[in-house]
Amino acid sequence: DGGITQSPKYLFRKEGQNVTLSCEQNLNHDAMYWYRQDPGQGLRLIYYSQIVNDFQKGDIAEGYSVSREKKESFPLTVTSAQKNPTAFYLCASRGGRSYTFGSGTRLTVV
Amino acid sequence: AQKVTQAQTEISVVEKEDVTLDCVYETRDTTYYLFWYKQPPSGELVFLIRRNSFDEQNEISGRYSWNFQKSTSSFNFTITASQVVDSAVYFCALSNRDDKIIFGKGTRLHILP
Repeated sequence: DGGITQSPKYLFRKEGQNVTLSCEQNLNHDAMYWYRQDPGQGLRLIYYSQIVNDFQKGDIAEGYSVSREKKESFPLTVTSAQKNPTAFYLCASRGGRSYTFGSGTRLTVV
Repeated sequence: AQKVTQAQTEISVVEKEDVTLDCVYETRDTTYYLFWYKQPPSGELVFLIRRNSFDEQNEISGRYSWNFQKSTSSFNFTITASQVVDSAVYFCALSNRDDKIIFGKGTRLHILP
């Protein structure tokens, strides 16, 4: 079945460490997105990519980095520069006007 | 600027009651899309509906219905005869020609048995 896979579901890291969240899709979608969700804040856009080897900053890109070397993959790195990285992260892809979301990764930094 | 406002942060109703979730949006574009998603406790986003700006017909899907009114920039969602399984966070969202989807802050719905 086609879909988006985010791994792992739960991730724990020590403060000051970089961590990379995985997002893979087999929907053949060109566009992919990363969102962050905090309690009571809704979903905020971190980065998005419309095509391979190209990506743009969203509303809250500071402290994050991405790459888009393959159509299927859009990993997100949470760097040590992100001041408050503990959150729920959702990846999405778009085909036409349909957006498909992954099941999310809950990152906790201790 | 684009914006989606869900003024109701949290709603509680007793099972079998009807409940309406409000959504007001702002956009300067004439072509745009509106969405509703459901987020159960497991965290994934479940797609409920997509509506384009040129289609103001209301839609009904089982116990769910949506009222789109461009004159008031609203896209409200009604659940009829609510059930405990409807308990979740519901998000209204907007996308336009730049293909980014912008979400409201969500409404947490509690259906009490």
